[in-house]
Amino acid sequence: KAGVTQTPRYLIKTRGQQVTLSCSPISGHRSVSWYQQTPGQGLQFLFEYFSETQRNKGNFPGRFSGRQFSNSRSEMNVSTLELGDSALYLCASSRETYNEQFFGPGTRLTVL
Amino acid sequence: EDKVVQSPLSLVVHEGDTVTLNCSYEVTNFRSLLWYKQEKKAPTFLFMLTSSGIEKKSGRLSSILDKKELFSILNITATQTGDSAVYLCALSSGSARQLTFGSGTQLTVLP
Repeated sequence: KAGVTQTPRYLIKTRGQQVTLSCSPISGHRSVSWYQQTPGQGLQFLFEYFSETQRNKGNFPGRFSGRQFSNSRSEMNVSTLELGDSALYLCASSRETYNEQFFGPGTRLTVL
Repeated sequence: EDKVVQSPLSLVVHEGDTVTLNCSYEVTNFRSLLWYKQEKKAPTFLFMLTSSGIEKKSGRLSSILDKKELFSILNITATQTGDSAVYLCALSSGSARQLTFGSGTQLTVLP
């Protein structure tokens, strides 16, 4: 069974730009969660989607948004990028909301 | 607010040693505690624990949960250099559909 896939794997942007990251969950998984990982803050929850609905959102500004499609694939968008948005963005999928989550390889975003 | 504290923050051992990693937590409505291993890439799932006192094992790794004292331990026996990684403990609670992660334990296994 294929794992969680994320595209692109690496991204370099400049301040003020916007970015869209994509995540394809494991087949049959309906819950997709997004996390931001930085050396200073560790892994922090961004939001969770289940059946195209955002079920929970972490403490991030409104510049961070996401959506989920009918095939469970998910995208997250960050607008008006700031230097502090440089991080590894991880997507995780699970069969149901409270099952174990399996992570994708992540997208390394660098904001210059 | 859910909280996860891992100790030690870092650990250096030699191959063949046995290590114990600790995870304590505070939670309003406990659902499960999860352990992940992270090398220079995404976290890899190790265990999910929901019941107290039941040990989960996978090869040289094992983990147990104590819901009364609010902690879990991850044991690794006969460590190998390939065990070098950051080990993350995460909490799933009924009040929030998310995982709350600890800061991790950096394990280094020397040959």
